Formats: sequence, structure tokens, C-alpha cells
Amino acid sequence: EVQLVESGGGLVQPGGSLRLSCEASGINVRSNHMSWVRQAPRKGLEWVSLIHDGGSTYYAESVKGRFAISRDTSKNTLYLEMNSLRAEDTAVYYCARTVQYSFDLWGQGILVTVSS
Amino acid sequence: DIQMTQSPSSLSASVGDRVTISCRSSQSIDTYLVWYQQKPGNAPKRLIYAASILQPGVPSRFSGSGSGTDFSLTISSLQREDFATYYCQQTYSSLLTFGGGTKVEIK
Repeated sequence: EVQLVESGGGLVQPGGSLRLSCEASGINVRSNHMSWVRQAPRKGLEWVSLIHDGGSTYYAESVKGRFAISRDTSKNTLYLEMNSLRAEDTAVYYCARTVQYSFDLWGQGILVTVSS
Repeated sequence: DIQMTQSPSSLSASVGDRVTISCRSSQSIDTYLVWYQQKPGNAPKRLIYAASILQPGVPSRFSGSGSGTDFSLTISSLQREDFATYYCQQTYSSLLTFGGGTKVEIK
């Protein structure tokens, strides 16, 4: 079955760090572009980061310098390392396969709450 | 960044109504435009890509049109399962951006 499963979310204090994981089944993270997209509570969708199949990475201005996207091809897993977290980073984070810069396969999402 | 503006932000409609949602980009994006549908508690689902190409499995009552800066998503005859929030997204730039969403509610 083709699916993406996120993990690693939870409650973290402002200024803290968290690493999200996205385990892929049925697709190869190495040969696909992959992204993270987030959705704050009762808000719209916001693209966060993209990693090309070739390894180039891109970030939204709101997270540049604080977040890092990476992948482990041996584990077929995508990651998002989040540092210096702020209250406004509170959201459901989705990983998504990215085809021609659109998102055709999504995970179920994982909640990250930044609060003291 | 390319800004995407959707209108209206919400609408009320009845089953069987024809519904049109608009999306405007801050600069020309040719037909690099995608539409998604999201229901509460679920991940978004891609409906249309390249402005007008229907994702396989999506009902033909959905259609997309437009190019340049102005786009629209039309549902020809609204069904109960279509009540959801719809988002447009530009795929022209690698700094990807979404519209703010349009919530379609039952009248």
C-alpha cells in the first residue's frame, strides 16, 4: 500500500526543538520530490519545505534558518528538524509527495504544539 | 513570493447548485495552478492540476479553468459530499504558496 506516516509531534516549549519523521511505503523518497506542509488550528495551508530528488532544499521564509528538511534513503524516511520553535509554529504538519510542485500523496498529519 | 488570493472566503449553497470559486495570483503563473479539497480532520486531496486537468477518480462535475493570473474552480451540481474547504496553489515557483481557502457550506 502506498502511504506516508508522520510521527514525532507533540508539545514543546517556545525555543525548543523537535524532529518530525515521515515513513514512506510504496514510494521511494530518494526518487521523489518531498515536502512538508502545515496547517495552524482553524487556518489555511502553508507550504514549509521541499527537498528535490536530487537533494536541493527550499524553505518558506517563515522557517528559513530554523527548520531543516532531510531524508534517510536506507529507512525510506523524510525528516523535518525544527529548532527555535515559536507559538506560531503550532500546527498539524503533513508530509507530501510533490509532483511537478503539487502534492498528490499526503500523510495523515501530526500535531505540533508550541506552548509553555 | 507569489501571493494567491481566493474569493469568496466562504459561501453557502444548496445541493444541486452550480458553484464557482475564484483564485487570483499576484503575477502571471501560466497554468501552473492546482486545486485541493479538504474535509475536516482529513488531509487535502488534489482535485485538479495544470489549472484544468482532473485528477483521475475525481467526479466530472468538478472543472477548472483560467491562465495567467485568474483561475476558477466550478462544481456544476453541488453534492452533499462536496461540502468542504477548497484551496488553490501555484506551482510556478519553487517557493510554493496557497490561497487562503474557500469554505463551501450547506445553505
